[in-house]
Amino acid sequence: DQQVKQNSPSLSVQEGRISILNCDYTNSMFDYFLWYKKYPAEGPTFLISISSIKDKNEDGRFTVFLNKSAKHLSLHIVPSQPGDSAVYFCAASDSGYSTLTFGKGTMLLVSP
Amino acid sequence: DAGITQSPRHKVTETGTPVTLRCHQTENHRYMYWYRQDPGHGLRLIHYSYGVKDTDKGEVSDGYSVSRSKTEDFLLTLESATSSQTSVYFCAISDHGRGYNSPLHFGNGTRLTVT
Repeated sequence: DQQVKQNSPSLSVQEGRISILNCDYTNSMFDYFLWYKKYPAEGPTFLISISSIKDKNEDGRFTVFLNKSAKHLSLHIVPSQPGDSAVYFCAASDSGYSTLTFGKGTMLLVSP
Repeated sequence: DAGITQSPRHKVTETGTPVTLRCHQTENHRYMYWYRQDPGHGLRLIHYSYGVKDTDKGEVSDGYSVSRSKTEDFLLTLESATSSQTSVYFCAISDHGRGYNSPLHFGNGTRLTVT
């Protein structure tokens, strides 16, 4: 049973526009959420995170929104740049455990 | 990179042979993890360690074993490799293991092909 779902395998956006990547989760015990970015032939790198006590966290061009009642989070990238083209993984953790559960990833392509 | 080295970076092996992948860290982090990445499955946890000689299973641990005899090294062994274990394997480390304030840092992966 998939506890973290990224239902869009891919997303195409033009440079300068907003990219919105979505993630849903089913485990109500998850209390911390992270986004990772992955380029080909490299390991995933941490991008941004949010605790369940917040509904928004911002870091430069990247903002993560959390809707606990809907068990939904989203990553907004504004403005999108070609260098943002990568696979984005949503991940979640339960404070009672020391592991992360990842979604399947969304491939973002930002075209000039 | 957060001081994580995976070796080898690429390996081709035959079905039925044992294979060991190594993860070495220079950060002195307590937690170490092995994930595999497959198309359509994302990243799935195989095993993890929360200290020297302390390990636990992840969601896809069948056919794999791990060992951690030193803080800096975490070994993943495929006891008898099968074609379904063809994958990209990532090692990750974390200081606190709880996600918050200590996100996982990943190595660059080992691409394993089992023929």
